Amino acid sequence: GAGVSQSPSNKVTEKGKDVELRCDPISGHTALYWYRQSLGQGLEFLIYFQGNSAPDKSGLPSDRFSAERTGGSVSTLTIQRTQQEDSAVYLCASSLGLAGQETQYFGPGTRLLVL
Amino acid sequence: GESVGLHLPTLSVQEGDNSIINCAYSNSASDYFIWYKQESGKGPQFIIDIRSNMDKRQGQRVTVLLNKTVKHLSLQIAATQPGDSAVYFCAEKPGTYKYIFGTGTRLKVLA
Repeated sequence: GAGVSQSPSNKVTEKGKDVELRCDPISGHTALYWYRQSLGQGLEFLIYFQGNSAPDKSGLPSDRFSAERTGGSVSTLTIQRTQQEDSAVYLCASSLGLAGQETQYFGPGTRLLVL
Repeated sequence: GESVGLHLPTLSVQEGDNSIINCAYSNSASDYFIWYKQESGKGPQFIIDIRSNMDKRQGQRVTVLLNKTVKHLSLQIAATQPGDSAVYFCAEKPGTYKYIFGTGTRLKVLA
């Protein structure tokens, strides 16, 4: 079956502009994660969605970052008024979200460059 | 703070040799571990996982070993091939859904 997909694959924007990043999880996966990966750094947790539960937004670095998940499937990560330090690879992952079946599968990522 | 670290940031091996990539984890409550492979410009790819009630798990050409006494995880790749060149990182799950990821080890396969 299809894996996690993300779009766009690359995004170049100017400082101060807003960007939207999209994630399509694996069909049937109720858990969805967003991470940020900077060069030479480990994956930084941003936000977690599980079914209809309130998301865990504890990893969002500032109020410029927000995310939604509509209908329990597709998710959008929005970064407002982008800054150069927002440049990174944004990865989405999904899992079945069940005990004993929590393996995360990642999408290809969106490479964001803020000029 | 909690962390998942790797002993060797870069590992170079001859094609055909076995590779061993190590990872130290700090949270004794972690009950699930994953190894990922990440090629340049791509997302992390699941390789193999292991639960804390196991010491060893084998896949195709890969083996993961877990030593809970010293909080150590290793990935062994048999007969390393050029296509194995990538960054490998481990992840631990100390709670219900959050993961902690290491920064990764770059594996270079020499022809």
